[in-house]
Amino acid sequence: QQQVKQSPQSLIVQKGGISIINCAYENTAFDYFPWYQQFPGKGPALLIAIRPDVSEKKEGRFTISFNKSAKQFSLHIMDSQPGDSATYFCAASMLGQNFVFGPGTRLSVLP
Amino acid sequence: KAGVTQTPRYLIKTRGQQVTLSCSPISGHRSVSWYQQTPGQGLQFLFEYFSETQRNKGNFPGRFSGRQFSNSRSEMNVSTLELGDSALYLCASSLRPSGDGGELFFGEGSRLTVL
Repeated sequence: QQQVKQSPQSLIVQKGGISIINCAYENTAFDYFPWYQQFPGKGPALLIAIRPDVSEKKEGRFTISFNKSAKQFSLHIMDSQPGDSATYFCAASMLGQNFVFGPGTRLSVLP
Repeated sequence: KAGVTQTPRYLIKTRGQQVTLSCSPISGHRSVSWYQQTPGQGLQFLFEYFSETQRNKGNFPGRFSGRQFSNSRSEMNVSTLELGDSALYLCASSLRPSGDGGELFFGEGSRLTVL
């Protein structure tokens, strides 16, 4: 019930391509869905976040698509760059509860 | 504005020992959360403190404990270390309590190796 599933585990994309990472959740009480980006040797940093009252949010090359009925959300990275190579975590939270993180996706963008 | 500071960054312990990790949150942040990160398990929630009170606790044995001081600095302690405790321990601070839509700001972590 509290789990957030994430796929794929790893992803290799050519420079300029689109990277897509998918997440799914079970608990419909979740009301905040952030994505975190983590570079080696660093802590995760917030990339972009969405609430379930909107179906899409875009910030630069990064877009979250949210499907409330399917209980799924995804991160799209347009025009992927080698500097985007990192591990990406989706997460979910609700009032009064801690964040629940997906297991992570290791993205490699080839030059 | 200084970020979240965790000390020590690296440490090596042997089985049966105990360890204390420290976290200084961003100034003004009263919420501190701790996570264990391992390659196979991702980020696992340990506990959260807000204004010196533990708000939530993850599914970890009692060997894992924490506390928060009046200046919002936090410590976590692991007693009777086991090999499986080897991990990166991340601290995150937030302006508001967890789940209130507040952004988590993570430190760079303390990497613990248990031999």
